[in-house]
Amino acid sequence: EADIYQTPRYLVIGTGKKITLECSQTMGHDKMYWYQQDPGMELHLIHYSYGVNSTEKGDLSSESTVSRIRTEHFPLTLESARPSHTSQYLCASSGWTGMNTEAFFGQGTRLTVV
Amino acid sequence: DQQVKQNSPSLSVQEGRISILNCDYTNSMFDYFLWYKKYPAEGPTFLISISSIKDKNEDGRFTVFLNKSAKHLSLHIVPSQPGDSAVYFCAASADTGNQFYFGTGTSLTVIP
Repeated sequence: EADIYQTPRYLVIGTGKKITLECSQTMGHDKMYWYQQDPGMELHLIHYSYGVNSTEKGDLSSESTVSRIRTEHFPLTLESARPSHTSQYLCASSGWTGMNTEAFFGQGTRLTVV
Repeated sequence: DQQVKQNSPSLSVQEGRISILNCDYTNSMFDYFLWYKKYPAEGPTFLISISSIKDKNEDGRFTVFLNKSAKHLSLHIVPSQPGDSAVYFCAASADTGNQFYFGTGTSLTVIP
């Protein structure tokens, strides 16, 4: 069973508000990811991290920012939420055992900006 | 440009029969392929994977087949059960890469 947690599960917030989506994993994985997914669409990578103090932007442009101060924690922040940010946000982590390994996902945060 | 494609948005199968979900990819650098199952408002759950050095991997009712020359993989579920009804995502990664690339998913409905 994957030990990766996201909070909140659901969030409805007004335009212009600052929000932080939390993601924590207890597996000691170095790699962590944030994906954005809309119904009927693929998962789009918006941020990833190789380890502490390492963050990179993914293929999908995003107005969000991330930080990785601790191995287990990879929060995502939107400084000013807009209706276009309404989506499901999925956090994942993966380890390295000398060979390819799968990514484990949290339960996701469904964000609605009104 | 989408590197992993699932061309069938939906599939319906009778309980007990075989479900076959297909996936195509374009990047020849991909060497690891995965299938995930996802329920609405939940995160994807890992199902099964295959390395490019193999052409088949089996885990219980789930079997993944890889055809590297055709850049095609498929997931077989036998026998299909109503609890298998979900969206299935195909994903791929490269050894030197930094991310997993996902398809758009196929919604499987298993009819009792």
